[in-house]
Amino acid sequence: DIQMTQSPSSVSASVGDRVTITCRASQGISSWLAWYQQKPGKAPELLIYAASSLRTGVSSRFSGSGSGTDFTLTISSLQPEDFATYFCQQVFSLPPTFGQGTRLEIK
Amino acid sequence: EVPLVESGGGLVKPGGSLRLSCGASGFSFSNAWMTWVRQAPGKGLEWVGRIKSRSDGGTGDYAVPVRGRFTISRDDSKNTVYLQMNSLKIEDTAVYYCTTYRSCSSTSCSQLPRLHDYMDVWGTGTTVTVS
Repeated sequence: DIQMTQSPSSVSASVGDRVTITCRASQGISSWLAWYQQKPGKAPELLIYAASSLRTGVSSRFSGSGSGTDFTLTISSLQPEDFATYFCQQVFSLPPTFGQGTRLEIK
Repeated sequence: EVPLVESGGGLVKPGGSLRLSCGASGFSFSNAWMTWVRQAPGKGLEWVGRIKSRSDGGTGDYAVPVRGRFTISRDDSKNTVYLQMNSLKIEDTAVYYCTTYRSCSSTSCSQLPRLHDYMDVWGTGTTVTVS
C-alpha cells in the first residue's frame, strides 16, 4: 500500500493567515491526489482533485500543487469556516489511502 | 435532497453480523462505482472497499483488514448499495460512509478509471459499534 504522510499533524493559525499543509507519498503517484476538508461530526468534503484542480464551488482561497511524491494544500487567507481537519488521499493505486489528517485550529 | 443516505448501523457483539445500506438519489446510480469508507472514533479515514458498476463488471475490491469478512453488493433497481459485515471485530467500530465520484456517473471514466476513487459525494454516515 502507498503510505501518505501529512505534516504538520496540527497547526494553529489566525483568521487572515496563509497556511500550507504538506502531504508526501511513499512512492510516486503522478498527480493522482485529492484533498478533503472535514468538520466535526460531518462527512468529509472534496476540495481539490488531480493535485491542483479546484472542485466547482470551492473557494479560490484553496489551492493545491505538487506531483510525484510531494504535494501541498494552501489556504491563502483563513476564514472562520476553514478551521477543520484536512486529509490528503491518493488514488494512484488500490487501495486508495489517506493521510492521517491535519487539524487546523484557531490561534 | 441528500444524494446518499446510509442506514443499518448499530451495536453488535464481536463475531456478529450487520448489513449497512446506502440509498442514492439525484445521479445516475447504475453508472456509479460505489465506495465505503470508515472512520474509527477520533481517527482518520480508511477505505473499506468499492463495487464497480455493472457495465464495468460489477466486481468488488476490498481492503485487506476486511477481505473475506465484508461483501459489497448493489441493487440498481433500488439505487442502493449494501455492505454486509460478518465476523465483526472490535476494531471494526467506526462511522461508515458511502461515497462516490458523481462526475463519473454522468460522463464515462472508462479511459481514466482512477477517477472513480475520488469522492465528491458522501453520505452522512452510520455508526457501527462492536462491543
